[in-house]
Amino acid sequence: QKEVEQNSGPLSVPEGAIASLNCTYSDRGSQSFFWYRQYSGKSPELIMFIYSNGDKEDGRFTAQLNKASQYVSLLIRDSQPSDSATYLCASPRAGDSNYQLIWGAGTKLIIKP
Amino acid sequence: DAGVTQSPTHLIKTRGQQVTLRCSPKSGHDTVSWYQQALGQGPQFIFQYYEEEERQRGNFPDRFSGHQFPNYSSELNVNALLLGDSALYLCASSLRSGRVYGYTFGSGTRLTVV
Repeated sequence: QKEVEQNSGPLSVPEGAIASLNCTYSDRGSQSFFWYRQYSGKSPELIMFIYSNGDKEDGRFTAQLNKASQYVSLLIRDSQPSDSATYLCASPRAGDSNYQLIWGAGTKLIIKP
Repeated sequence: DAGVTQSPTHLIKTRGQQVTLRCSPKSGHDTVSWYQQALGQGPQFIFQYYEEEERQRGNFPDRFSGHQFPNYSSELNVNALLLGDSALYLCASSLRSGRVYGYTFGSGTRLTVV
């Protein structure tokens, strides 16, 4: 089992709808989670981070964390064609002496005009 | 406020050669991490540098080495290049480890080994 898993997609969503991206993780010790957006051929760009159970909202983006079920999600409201990208979920490996982020393979999101 | 800068942006090397990639972190950041990203995959951790020392290393062979300078900039060196080393190499800077607030990535270096 991969430490951080995402559905590779592509996930196709009509413009203006809500896009829902999901990520599951295997390490119950994981404390914080990051969502990055990556356009084709570009580097990842941090969208949000979350470390408490519940929802965290930032503009059109909402991150949701459920530690009991070991999943984290990203909702994008009023989806725009410019949101079309690959969305990567990442989490620091548990343990104070671990400094690396563990990444999912990413979900490709396509917003259809 | 300059972000993370990487050079070069693209590089073509022959199998067996050596390559050096460079990174300047975002102003205020003191930690540099290097990642390799193959097409369609998430980034894979190579190593992290803090206070001019390699603090942690991922599952990469010794052909991959690095350095951090007193101004926090960093280099990634890869010796004896293999075709499988072709990838996007990402430098990420952070304040301390990046565990709390994440990383800021540079634009990457696309390495092609032929």
